[in-house]
Amino acid sequence: AQSVTQPDIHITVSEGASLELRCNYSYGATPYLFWYVQSPGQGLQLLLKYFSGDTLVQGIKGFEAEFKRSQSSFNLRKPSVHWSDAAEYFCAVAPNAGKSTFGDGTTLTVKP
Amino acid sequence: DTGVSQNPRHKITKRGQNVTFRCDPISEHNRLYWYRQTLGQGPEFLTYFQNEAQLEKSRLLSDRFSAERPKGSFSTLEIQRTEQGDSAMYLCASSLTGTGYQPQHFGDGTRLSIL
Repeated sequence: AQSVTQPDIHITVSEGASLELRCNYSYGATPYLFWYVQSPGQGLQLLLKYFSGDTLVQGIKGFEAEFKRSQSSFNLRKPSVHWSDAAEYFCAVAPNAGKSTFGDGTTLTVKP
Repeated sequence: DTGVSQNPRHKITKRGQNVTFRCDPISEHNRLYWYRQTLGQGPEFLTYFQNEAQLEKSRLLSDRFSAERPKGSFSTLEIQRTEQGDSAMYLCASSLTGTGYQPQHFGDGTRLSIL
């Protein structure tokens, strides 16, 4: 069965600083990989996805993620964080175009 | 695109009562998913439908839980004899089906609080 680990429960960065959120997955083949963002009291918004091809994928809101097969990782990055990026971030995997398995999330706090 | 709509947004009930949540997917989406999210955790898959057919159920979906999608449009999730452990956010998502990946669009969830 697939699983997702997000090692960092909580990360605090200063506004304007760079950000990297870690995600490691376990699956027998290359799954579909996703990053979602969730603001308090709201549902999940898809930031970006990876299926195949270029291992560096661009998403919305200036986010990008890099797939590294050798490390079973799919880390999310942003070069300059804005205060509005404060939220909870979830990494997810899906074996196909069906149900997703989510990590437990990383809460991002942005300091002014 | 009006998005996925979930009602109610918040439900407070006493232990032992039955509750029902509704999800209205994006109109042309034929797949509908239910997830449960507890505090400090990511969403966990419960079940999904393609049109009116329930194609998969998680072992998390005990016999107190039942989901329906009678006409392939909206869906309901009922929990009978609620327990403290049922307190969670219940999220609904919908998607198209087709070749390749079709993104899941999530509603804002129904938060269930058991007194």
